[in-house]
Amino acid sequence: EVQLLESGGGLVQPGGSLRLSCAAAGFTFSDYGMSWVRQAPGKGLEWVSGISGNGGSTFSGDSVEGRFIISRDNFKNTLYLRLNSLRPEDTAVYYCAKGASFSGANCNDYWGQGTLVTVSS
Amino acid sequence: EIVLTQSPGTLSLSPGERATLSCRASQSVSSNYLAWYQQKPGQAPRLLIYGASSRATGIADRISGSGSGTDFTLTINRLEPEDFAVYYCQQYGRSPLTFGGGTKVEIK
Repeated sequence: EVQLLESGGGLVQPGGSLRLSCAAAGFTFSDYGMSWVRQAPGKGLEWVSGISGNGGSTFSGDSVEGRFIISRDNFKNTLYLRLNSLRPEDTAVYYCAKGASFSGANCNDYWGQGTLVTVSS
Repeated sequence: EIVLTQSPGTLSLSPGERATLSCRASQSVSSNYLAWYQQKPGQAPRLLIYGASSRATGIADRISGSGSGTDFTLTINRLEPEDFAVYYCQQYGRSPLTFGGGTKVEIK
């Protein structure tokens, strides 16, 4: 059974940083790309970033380019998202999602339950 | 980036009826890399359709996707109580990947 468990969310001040983690189990982690998708309160889905199975290719959305960094540790079966220079508009539930293939730019067939990031002073 | 426009914003239907949801792209979606997701309140999204028309694992055959290029459709036949939710389309043919704004299917 595929399991994705996010952690690391919380309250942070504008301009601050945070690192999200996603522990994966139930599949061969290095064979699949992974993504982060966020959802602001009461709003729709926004793709944030994706990474290929071996970590060699990464992709990011325009609104987070240069501020958020996606990475992975295939030995620890863990996906990360480093959030820098946070803004109030980054407040959202952040979902970790498994890609349907090795590519970091793909649809997502399994999702975690999400971790809430709140940016406020 | 490719902008996806979903319509209608809200669909009010009764159980047993057919739901037809539209997703229109601002540019042609490469290789028909178009997915549909269902999301219920307080839950993570669930993949329904990928490649515009292929059902994901465990998805009922009364749910189907069609379309190509810039116009895509999700059809749900014989609506069941569990189908009332918000539906999103997503293109994954070109980075940045993008989602539509969603269509809410509510009980009439």
